[in-house]
Amino acid sequence: AQSVTQPDIHITVSEGASLELRCNYSYGATPYLFWYVQSPGQGLQLLLKYFSGDTLVQGIKGFEAEFKRSQSSFNLRKPSVHWSDAAEYFCAVVPTGTASKLTFGTGTRLQVTL
Amino acid sequence: DSGVTQTPKHLITATGQRVTLRCSPRSGDLSVYWYQQSLDQGLQFLIQYYNGEERAKGNILERFSAQQFPDLHSELNLSSLELGDSALYFCASSVALGTSGENEQFFGPGTRLTVL
Repeated sequence: AQSVTQPDIHITVSEGASLELRCNYSYGATPYLFWYVQSPGQGLQLLLKYFSGDTLVQGIKGFEAEFKRSQSSFNLRKPSVHWSDAAEYFCAVVPTGTASKLTFGTGTRLQVTL
Repeated sequence: DSGVTQTPKHLITATGQRVTLRCSPRSGDLSVYWYQQSLDQGLQFLIQYYNGEERAKGNILERFSAQQFPDLHSELNLSSLELGDSALYFCASSVALGTSGENEQFFGPGTRLTVL
C-alpha cells in the first residue's frame, strides 16, 4: 500500500546539536516530496521540496533534506538546532501524475533542550 | 504569513449542529484544498476545488460539503456534528490545478473546531 512513514514520534535534542528526522515512502514511482513544519498554534509552513534533480535540497531556516532513491527516504537535517526549531515536522508526498493532494506522515515532534 | 486567511480561528459548538468554515486563498491562487488534523487521524486531505469546480476528493464524510465561489473563496460546511469532528481544519491554496504535483500549497492558520 502507498504510504509515507515517519518512524520517530518524538525526538529531543540539545540546542546546538545536529538533527536528522526520518521519512520513508512506499510508492511505485518516486513521488514529489515535501517537509512542512507546524509550530504550536500555527499553520503549516513549507521547509523544502523535492521534485527532481539534485538529491540534496536546501530549504528555509537552515534545513536541508537528502533524497535517497535506493532507501525510499527523504530525511530532513539541520547541522545546529536552535531552541526556536521546537515544533512538529511533517513529511508529505504527492504521487507523480496525480492531483496535488498531499499525503502526510504522522509527524515528528521535536523538543529542544537548552 | 502565507497570505491564506481562515475564519473563524476557533469555533465551539454542540453535537448535531452545523457550522461553516471560510477560507480566502492567496491572491491569484485558483486551487483551494481542505485538510483535517485530528489526534486520531492525523493530517488528512478532504477536498480540492479549482476555479469553482471540485477536482479531487479525499476522506471527506457525507455530512461535510464544500464549495468555491466566483471570487475564489471557499467554504467548508460541516453538519450533524459529532464529538469526533473536533479537529483543526486547514485550508491551503496554490496557483494551479497541480496535476503535475509541482505546485506548492500555502496553508492558512487553521480553524479549531470543538464539538461538545
